[in-house]
Amino acid sequence: NAGVTQTPKFRVLKTGQSMTLLCAQDMNHEYMYWYRQDPGMGLRLIHYSVGEGTTAKGEVPDGYNVSRLKKQNFLLGLESAAPSQTSVYFCASNPGGSGSYNEQFFGPGTRLTVL
Amino acid sequence: QKEVEQDPGPLSVPEGAIVSLNCTYSNSAFQYFMWYRQYSRKGPELLMYTYSSGNKEDGRFTAQVDKSSKYISLFIRDSQPSDSATYLCAMSASGTYKYIFGTGTRLKVLA
Repeated sequence: NAGVTQTPKFRVLKTGQSMTLLCAQDMNHEYMYWYRQDPGMGLRLIHYSVGEGTTAKGEVPDGYNVSRLKKQNFLLGLESAAPSQTSVYFCASNPGGSGSYNEQFFGPGTRLTVL
Repeated sequence: QKEVEQDPGPLSVPEGAIVSLNCTYSNSAFQYFMWYRQYSRKGPELLMYTYSSGNKEDGRFTAQVDKSSKYISLFIRDSQPSDSATYLCAMSASGTYKYIFGTGTRLKVLA
């Protein structure tokens, strides 16, 4: 079991460029999440998905788009990168199902710098 | 006011000390309370979780939840240099998909 993997690990973009971050999980989890982590801000939820083909906005969705075409993959897109999107991005997944606790598993992160 | 408040530290302690990490929250609907450990340049990993009020112990770690005060704590006994990391509290309400994280407390245990 690889758990949650993220591609790429590092990336430097110029303002206005676009890119896609890939998250993959091999645990057959229903729920997947994208967070960004900035100094002094903690983990902030960008978008999340509660199942294949569904996505929803989190706390800071502006400037990002997501897709979940396959259950195991959750893609985060930046259409026109801005310096304010310089951050460390974490993907997470959990088994899903309401009414009980589900452990959240995190990927190793992608460090993105926008110049 | 943020839903979850956590002292960012940094907190430096000598090896063997008892460490107390804390979070306060404002949403009375939170039922699940988690502590994550995050080593430098790594993803967070779950350390412990507690449902509703009470204590939970796992080895050198004890998690406490006081819902009446909206206050949670993580105690680390006999702290080790390998405990040096950032500790994040997180909370969620029953039936929701979202987890709300504190900003994290950076801990350094000095050998």
